[in-house]
Amino acid sequence: EDQVTQSPEALRLQEGESSSLNCSYTVSGLRGLFWYRQDPGKGPEFLFTLYSAGEEKEKERLKATLTKKESFLHITAPKPEDSATYLCAVQAGGFKTIFGAGTRLFVKA
Amino acid sequence: DVKVTQSSRYLVKRTGEKVFLECVQDMDHENMFWYRQDPGLGLRLIYFSYDVKMKEKGDIPEGYSVSREKKERFSLILESASTNQTSMYLCASRGAQNTGELFFGEGSRLTVL
Repeated sequence: EDQVTQSPEALRLQEGESSSLNCSYTVSGLRGLFWYRQDPGKGPEFLFTLYSAGEEKEKERLKATLTKKESFLHITAPKPEDSATYLCAVQAGGFKTIFGAGTRLFVKA
Repeated sequence: DVKVTQSSRYLVKRTGEKVFLECVQDMDHENMFWYRQDPGLGLRLIYFSYDVKMKEKGDIPEGYSVSREKKERFSLILESASTNQTSMYLCASRGAQNTGELFFGEGSRLTVL
């Protein structure tokens, strides 16, 4: 069964304290792994798509990487405005995208 | 700017009421989706549609139905609302390709009393 597991559930950082969020997945035939950011009370906003092991994408303080079993979202020198829930999702065959439960990130000034 | 618009941000309904949640996208996307989001469970797919008048069940379709009469509009219907349907409902769309990112609306928070 296709599955996505994110860890930790919550992460508290000081401003400037770099860290990583983990997304482990089991899927037959990965067609894409996605990272989204979700602010409280709003819909998820797309960040990155990764398609194959070894691929990396960057945007400002965020960098996403992909292996055959997991993806990491690295946050370098975070700021309070990076506080949000980060969702990982995978698409295998067909139309469905499967989401993890998310990691809530809190960055304190 | 691309946009997915959900008609109601907040709704409060009573048990047994019929509830309509509407979603409109302006990107000419073929694929549209309804998810519900609950703490600790992530997003779970209720229904999706890959074309006008076409619909497919997702992982948790029980208690829900959908309607897609026009390409840009996808409606979620709760025939008889129950308290366990209290949740955040998210509509999303995606283009004709069978893979790619989803574009989400702002969400509709439904409370059933």
